[in-house]
Amino acid sequence: GAGVSQTPSNKVTEKGKYVELRCDPISGHTALYWYRQSLGQGPEFLIYFQGTGAADDSGLPNDRFFAVRPEGSVSTLKIQRTERGDSAMYLCASSLTGGKDTQYFGPGTRLTVL
Amino acid sequence: SQKIEQNSEALNIQEGKTATLTCNYTNYSPAYLQWYRQDPGRGPVFLLLIRENEKEKRKERLKVTFDTTLKQSLFHITASQPADSATYLCALVDNAGKSTFGDGTTLTVKP
Repeated sequence: GAGVSQTPSNKVTEKGKYVELRCDPISGHTALYWYRQSLGQGPEFLIYFQGTGAADDSGLPNDRFFAVRPEGSVSTLKIQRTERGDSAMYLCASSLTGGKDTQYFGPGTRLTVL
Repeated sequence: SQKIEQNSEALNIQEGKTATLTCNYTNYSPAYLQWYRQDPGRGPVFLLLIRENEKEKRKERLKVTFDTTLKQSLFHITASQPADSATYLCALVDNAGKSTFGDGTTLTVKP
């Protein structure tokens, strides 16, 4: 596709449930980033992939959060035992090779935990 | 710990004037700094990048300065238009591309 896409655009779930958020990066981009953005705040780094491997997962808040990128393209962010505090916009970005390359953001997935 | 502050949550200016947004940081030595625009309900859109050894960068009506001694970047929009109304984010970036964002300044340009 022409840009980064994320599905679903909105996800409403109940506390304690498991959710998966998907990111389709720009074709050929090796670097992929996940961020979380709460209302009125800037995006907060979660994890960075270079190819299939997680190069930096220092932003994942706890072990309920996990992300994969098995073939070096699509990535899935997985959240177990969701809590109300997980409600936020989850943004994905990709860049050609990482580093100073421009990061292109997707439209985000709005997660609401009831 | 690292801290990034953008001068104010909201800035209101008249069409045609220059908007100046400020980004200050502490406890960080970024490889470079980026400015993004974000519209409601959408992801950030990259505008400009400036490296630590650059003082100023321009792109059309946009200008960014970067002072690593003051630990400050200024973002200017000249001849502002109502269509420039949005939230503007600054981000400090390390060599891997990991970005630390400020909370943004919401600019409103009134006709």
